[in-house]
Amino acid sequence: GAGVSQSPSNKVTEKGKDVELRCDPISGHTALYWYRQSLGQGLEFLIYFQGNSAPDKSGLPSDRFSAERTGGSVSTLTIQRTQQEDSAVYLCASSHTTGQGGEQYFGPGTRLTVT
Amino acid sequence: AQSVAQPEDQVNVAEGNPLTVKCTYSVSGNPYLFWYVQYPNRGLQFLLKYITGDNLVKGSYGFEAEFNKSQTSFHLKKPSALVSDSALYFCAVRGSGGYNKLIFGAGTRLAVHP
Repeated sequence: GAGVSQSPSNKVTEKGKDVELRCDPISGHTALYWYRQSLGQGLEFLIYFQGNSAPDKSGLPSDRFSAERTGGSVSTLTIQRTQQEDSAVYLCASSHTTGQGGEQYFGPGTRLTVT
Repeated sequence: AQSVAQPEDQVNVAEGNPLTVKCTYSVSGNPYLFWYVQYPNRGLQFLLKYITGDNLVKGSYGFEAEFNKSQTSFHLKKPSALVSDSALYFCAVRGSGGYNKLIFGAGTRLAVHP
């Protein structure tokens, strides 16, 4: 079946511009996660959505970052006034259950470059 | 605080030889442990997980991992490495109180030489 998809695959933007990254989770998966993969920083959790519950935003690095999930499916991660340190690969994942044993399935990522 | 350590930045092994990629963890409560692999320009692929039960867990592509509670380790192993196994491997943990996110290690690059 179809996996997690993300768009765009690559995004180059100028410092100070806003960007939107999109994630389509696996159909039927109730949980959706955003992570960031940076050189020298490894993989870091950003935000988590589960159904209609309030999202866990504990990983968002600043108030320039926000995310929403519409209709319990597609999610967009928005970065306002981008900075060079925002350059990274942004990974989206979904899982069928929030049970602690539920593995997450990752999309291919969006590579963001801020110039 | 929950954490994962992968002490080796890179592991080199000859094709056909056994391989081990090391992972140790620190978490309160019972750990839920995962291994993921990342091929160039690809997302992370799930390999295997330990939740409970047998300490030896078998996963995709012939990989297995051994959970050792006393040593707080979850090393990834494969009896006979393939060149196609060359990739970046991540260990991750989810603690009992933090079920909504994974904590990842820094990753270990595995290079299998012909």
